[in-house]
Amino acid sequence: GIQVEQSPPDLILQEGANSTLRCNFSDSVNNLQWFHQNPWGQLINLFYIPSGTKQNGRLSATTVATERYSLLYISSSQTTDSGVYFCAVERNTDKLIFGTGTRLQVFP
Amino acid sequence: DAGVIQSPRHEVTEMGQEVTLRCKPISGHNSLFWYRQTMMRGLELLIYFNNNVPIDDSGMPEDRFSAKMPNASFSTLKIQPSEPRDSAVYFCASSHSGANVLTFGAGSRLTVL
Repeated sequence: GIQVEQSPPDLILQEGANSTLRCNFSDSVNNLQWFHQNPWGQLINLFYIPSGTKQNGRLSATTVATERYSLLYISSSQTTDSGVYFCAVERNTDKLIFGTGTRLQVFP
Repeated sequence: DAGVIQSPRHEVTEMGQEVTLRCKPISGHNSLFWYRQTMMRGLELLIYFNNNVPIDDSGMPEDRFSAKMPNASFSTLKIQPSEPRDSAVYFCASSHSGANVLTFGAGSRLTVL
């Protein structure tokens, strides 16, 4: 099956800093999503982005499908951005496979 | 829209007991997914339904696990008998079609003693 690797595994930032999270996948995909799991455990869908670039406020994502990676950018981080960020991919199976996540801690 | 609704939010039970987790998907969504999250294995897909029909249950750990979707607005995941290694957070998610843009419920945290 498709392997999904995320880096870095852990990230500690001070409020106001910018960060880039990376997701590498081992095979071509037609579905890629980014999720944020907040400290209370809720999984929030951030982006559906199988290719191209999208932006939503301070967050943006870029997927380069031909090179099998996606990047999530967080600008001017806030303490509420803390949590775990997951990348998930799928190819023609409807079975969304999750990476192991990047744990982000933002301190004031 | 109330989102995906799961119940119970927390369940503590003893080994050997039957556990039933419930999920109400977002109205109008045709696909429903059950995931399990543990520290050791991360987020794993257990089973998913399209239009109330189970499509792939290859992620269901063993025969002790079963899932049903009797109608478009309700699904259950049952564990009988439960074991301590079943302790995890169980998530339900739904989407308009297939695995596109999944919306997750708040999860059911299960502890089996």
